[in-house]
Amino acid sequence: DIQMTQSASSLSASVGDRVTITCRASQNINRYLNWYQQKPGKAPKLLIYAASRLQSGVPSRFSGSGSGTDFTLTVSSLQPEDFAIYFCQQSFITPWTFGQGTKVEIK
Amino acid sequence: QVQLQESGPGLVKPSQTLSLTCTVSGGSFSSGAYYWNWVRQFPGQGLEWMGYTHYSGTTYYNPSLKSRITISVDRSSNQFSLKLTSVTAADTAVYYCARGPQQLGFYFDSWGQGTLVTVSS
Repeated sequence: DIQMTQSASSLSASVGDRVTITCRASQNINRYLNWYQQKPGKAPKLLIYAASRLQSGVPSRFSGSGSGTDFTLTVSSLQPEDFAIYFCQQSFITPWTFGQGTKVEIK
Repeated sequence: QVQLQESGPGLVKPSQTLSLTCTVSGGSFSSGAYYWNWVRQFPGQGLEWMGYTHYSGTTYYNPSLKSRITISVDRSSNQFSLKLTSVTAADTAVYYCARGPQQLGFYFDSWGQGTLVTVSS
């Protein structure tokens, strides 16, 4: 299975900060990388698919980049509603696998 | 707007079979453009994709579960179901059903609210 590693299990930030979350795949996954946001007690919500494509309805402050093994999710100006857990997921080879999540907390 | 809703027992005894159903409303179930998935989230927050079915009946399972899992589709009821046999405490998780378009990769664009299943005697 492809291992997805999010180097930070948590990070602290303030409203208005630019935040970057990283995800690394154990092998080349081209651009088959998706990002989700999860809030307590809720299902994950798709933010970005195919590494950089913004899902419909998702604010433009979210962006994704990367290819191969290294990927980044960026929030350009953190808003109060963005404090949550963020997961990456690869869809290059089955079984689809997820990173362990990065929790964005209030500083 | 598609909606997915999981249903089924919240408590299952060890060695028994876990059975859940996902009801899809909003018109996309029979379009053939989507795959219908089960994803679970363990208490430590890790996510595991379990498998998918398609309206045509095609299925694909995570090899880690292959001997225990069955996903089936009921076209007449706009539902798909999960059965997981021989459960243990390690199967305790929140179970989500999720829709997956197959374009530019495979991702989950709509999710049910999730249902907690506890395996305990």
